[in-house]
Amino acid sequence: GAVVSQHPSWVICKSGTSVKIECRSLDFQATTMFWYRQFPKQSLMLMATSNEGSKATYEQGVEKDKFLINHASLTLSTLTVTSAHPEDSSFYICSAPGLAGGWSYNEQFFGPGTRLTVL
Amino acid sequence: SQQGEEDPQALSIQEGENATMNCSYKTSINNLQWYRQNSGRGLVHLILIRSNEREKHSGRLRVTLDTSKKSSSLLITASRAADTASYFCATVETGANNLFFGTGTRLTVIP
Repeated sequence: GAVVSQHPSWVICKSGTSVKIECRSLDFQATTMFWYRQFPKQSLMLMATSNEGSKATYEQGVEKDKFLINHASLTLSTLTVTSAHPEDSSFYICSAPGLAGGWSYNEQFFGPGTRLTVL
Repeated sequence: SQQGEEDPQALSIQEGENATMNCSYKTSINNLQWYRQNSGRGLVHLILIRSNEREKHSGRLRVTLDTSKKSSSLLITASRAADTASYFCATVETGANNLFFGTGTRLTVIP
């Protein structure tokens, strides 16, 4: 079945540094991937839609210069948190809709998440 | 905000009892999905119900959808301690392809 991986699973960094999170679709291609952020005991909030070969679409209130998204191939999207600050500490989750193997576009597969802690 | 709301926020039941969670949303949808999340982990897709469906079953799960009331419910029958998790509804709006999540229900099943 469709599997989405994320790397790293957790990261601790100093304030002011940049952190890159990778999201990979392992057994299917994804022209579109989604990035979510989840604060403790809260729901997932959609941050942006990552489009292969074109610019990402950001949700209202999400700074595109702070959260850089690159979708350079059909199986990889990256989210870079630039100049991270403690308030960026959160759980970041990506997802990809399945387009093959009988999955419809509405079936989404989620990565295991990346826990970012900014000191 | 496009985020839906779930009710209750938290639910604690004894093993063997049924658990019912409700979800309300605001827009016209293509489908509604339910997900489960164990603490600090990723999401697991449970069930998808399309806008032209009213009820769907999968194992111990039963989902209903009332598009006139813009609401859905998830029923877990004969609950087990392993069902302890957070449950989220998520909607796909008509004409869109991204998910908007509800606020979630934290379910605790006491052995």
